[in-house]
Amino acid sequence: AQKVTQAQTEISVVEKEDVTLDCVYETRDTTYYLFWYKQPPSGELVFLIRRNSFDEQNEISGRYSWNFQKSTSSFNFTITASQVVDSAVYFCALSEGRGSTLGRLYFGRGTQLTVWP
Amino acid sequence: DVKVTQSSRYLVKRTGEKVFLECVQDMDHENMFWYRQDPGLGLRLIYFSYDVKMKEKGDIPEGYSVSREKKERFSLILESASTNQTSMYLCASISGKIRNQPQHFGDGTRLSIL
Repeated sequence: AQKVTQAQTEISVVEKEDVTLDCVYETRDTTYYLFWYKQPPSGELVFLIRRNSFDEQNEISGRYSWNFQKSTSSFNFTITASQVVDSAVYFCALSEGRGSTLGRLYFGRGTQLTVWP
Repeated sequence: DVKVTQSSRYLVKRTGEKVFLECVQDMDHENMFWYRQDPGLGLRLIYFSYDVKMKEKGDIPEGYSVSREKKERFSLILESASTNQTSMYLCASISGKIRNQPQHFGDGTRLSIL
């Protein structure tokens, strides 16, 4: 069964602090994809990144970086020098790679990040 | 750019009413999904469809049904609305032919059942 765990329900930081959001996943598939989405207060889900199971390279995009480690089944997300606009709910998700259910996402429960000025 | 449009941003209905939530996508995607989002529970899959007239149950289908008569439209139906169906509903779509693409989400419908 597929499962995604985001153990941190809420995190509060002060602007310019670095913050890491944890994501641990479970799957028996050898091919799978991992995603992070951001949900600001307005409610829409904004896609941030995807990773496939064969690509363990870490990725950096501006102040955002992702650390994918298959050995620990983790896909953590770090925001460097956080800003108030980073305040949102962040979801980690896992997708299977084949079959008629292609693209179905299994979501974690989300982490509410609040960045204080 | 992919556009997923949900018919209402906010909706208020009464217990026992039949409620329709509509979702339309403009990218000819095969796969469409309906999720429900509740605080602390994340997004839970209600139903999905991978082709016209095809549907599969997700994790929490009880009390809901769906309709996919046209490829671009996926409707979620609450047959007899109850207060425990008050929630945020999100529709998403994805190509069924291209792997590892992210799902595209609508803006969500905040449904209140009184």
